[in-house]
Amino acid sequence: ETGVTQTPRHLVMGMTNKKSLKCEQHLGHNAMYWYKQSAKKPLELMFVYSLEERVENNSVPSRFSPECPNSSHLFLHLHTLQPEDSALYLCASSQDWGGNSPLHFGNGTRLTVT
Amino acid sequence: LAKTTQPISMDSYEGQEVNITCSHNNIATNDYITWYQQFPSQGPRFIIQGYKTKVTNEVASLFIPADRKSSTLSLPRVSLSDTAVYYCLVGDPNSGGYQKVTFGTGTKLQVIP
Repeated sequence: ETGVTQTPRHLVMGMTNKKSLKCEQHLGHNAMYWYKQSAKKPLELMFVYSLEERVENNSVPSRFSPECPNSSHLFLHLHTLQPEDSALYLCASSQDWGGNSPLHFGNGTRLTVT
Repeated sequence: LAKTTQPISMDSYEGQEVNITCSHNNIATNDYITWYQQFPSQGPRFIIQGYKTKVTNEVASLFIPADRKSSTLSLPRVSLSDTAVYYCLVGDPNSGGYQKVTFGTGTKLQVIP
């Protein structure tokens, strides 16, 4: 049971495709995050939005483009990805950015780039 | 940022108490300690958080000694459904919080029937 919903759960795309990942949180939180989890590697923080403004971009390649139209929705737009971008992409939210409020994660989108 | 060290894996039989220890020797004064659980193909789930001494909730207990250089997550009477990866995070709530801290590789707990 999660208050953070991610769609799609699985996505296969070619290197020339453009696709988007969607995240929606129903918790009334002010901060939202994108994480990447590759096989046998730790979770990597990609982007952070606080009150719909981007506050963190952890040197993520420009082929990943986030969008936060409101405090409940977060998108990750993908274009010209590489096979090494195949991973589980996790969205999370927390009450606020900069505090110690727990992260609430969605179940992720399993992305395969062919 | 405080770095954490955990065992890579642990095995336990059903019904036993499991203790997973995390070392964080350079923990800062303002850092909180937070534990997450992750099942395969799911996002991590918050378990417990503490600053010092002992914290207990319906799922687990967290023991933090006075020097705060380590912490121990205690899971009472584990079942097969507790098989998961457990992450220890340490961070400062006043500078991006622990959300900014890497999750590390965690401890893979395997519960055996």
